[in-house]
This record gives sequence, structure tokens and C-alpha cells, in this order.
Amino acid sequence: DADVTQTPRNRITKTGKRIMLECSQTKGHDRMYWYRQDPGLGLRLIYYSFDVKDINKGEISDGYSVSRQAQAKFSLSLESAIPNQTALYFCATSGGGAGYGYTFGSGTRLTVV
Amino acid sequence: DAKTTQPPSMDCAEGRAANLPCNHSTISGNEYVYWYRQIHSQGPQYIIHGLKNNETNEMASLIITEDRKSSTLILPHATLRDTAVYYCIVRPQAGTALIFGKGTTLSVSS
Repeated sequence: DADVTQTPRNRITKTGKRIMLECSQTKGHDRMYWYRQDPGLGLRLIYYSFDVKDINKGEISDGYSVSRQAQAKFSLSLESAIPNQTALYFCATSGGGAGYGYTFGSGTRLTVV
Repeated sequence: DAKTTQPPSMDCAEGRAANLPCNHSTISGNEYVYWYRQIHSQGPQYIIHGLKNNETNEMASLIITEDRKSSTLILPHATLRDTAVYYCIVRPQAGTALIFGKGTTLSVSS
């Protein structure tokens, strides 16, 4: 099994629909992150969580919300999807401290029509 | 947060060393330099990180200048599978997350 699992892998949804992207990790790490990537661009941070009771906004949090259900689970929701939220979404996890690298999931490709 | 500057693209011949530069002139004394790469649309992959000393692992070497204002990632024998976008990131203060820039697109050709 992958260290970081994202579901679904691909999703097409209609404008205005609510959608949830899920992420689970088996690394035992406290920290989890959601990033979005648009074609030809780098990753942009949406939200991050350093423990179950901690939620922080990233660079582009508008239109998104998150839920940290457990140490291993971190979900991203689009309350009312719009076409410019069409992107590749990545979840990641890391240990604490500056010396830890991130482990990323395989991504969820979301298309809003 | 310290910012990084990387060339947008580089080419390398297969079997040769790929040297990817990164400038981070505003880096603070307790900030690490991280390198990640992203192959096509896969999740980014951690390569290496360092604080002051040069580092080497099975994937690459990281050379950090003495003044810490720049670094170079070295892939000693590039292969076609090393074609990817390489991101140099300075880890911000504890309590924040990694911020990715646009990186360098490395193209390895035979």
C-alpha cells in the first residue's frame, strides 16, 4: 500500500456541486497538507494541518475547506465547485521539524464542468 | 520567507552530470534547503536536503556555498528517467509549510 493514498484518482463534477477529496497516510506523521497544481505551474498550498486540532490556511484557501478527522486522515472539500477549480490536487504528509521531507500522494485530477 | 531563483529550463546529455543551480540569497541561518522533483504529473518526490554541509545520498549530491546564498543539485549520471521539474525550496520557519516555486525543467536526452 502507498504511504499516502488519495481518493478518488479522477473525478468529473458539475459546477455548483459539493465534492470531497480524501487523503490518508500510513507514515504516522502529524503533519498533512493539500496542494493544487494547474497545468504548467508549480504547486500552490491550499491548507495544512500540524496535528488533529490544528488547521491553517495556505496561499489559496478561498473556495476550499478541510477536515482533519484523525492523525491519518485529511479531507479537502469544495463547497460549490467552479470551473477554475479544475486542477490536479496533491496531499502530502511530513514529520515535525525542519529536517523532514514530505511524502506526496499520487494526486486527484478534478475536472469541473 | 527566503525566496529561491532557478533557471526555467536546462538540458543534459544522458550519462553526463546534471548540475542544477539555485539562488537563495535571503536564507536565514536555521533554514534548510530542500530539493524535490516532479516527473510528469506524479506527486513530487523528495530528493535531498541540507543546512550547511554538502550532502550526498543515493539519488544526488547537494553542494551549498559557504555563505549559504546558493546551492547546486548534482545528478552524477543523468538518465532519461531524470527528466522532470526540479524544485529548490528553502524551508521556512517552523510552523509553516513548504512553498513551491516554478522550478527548473530538466530535459535529459540521448
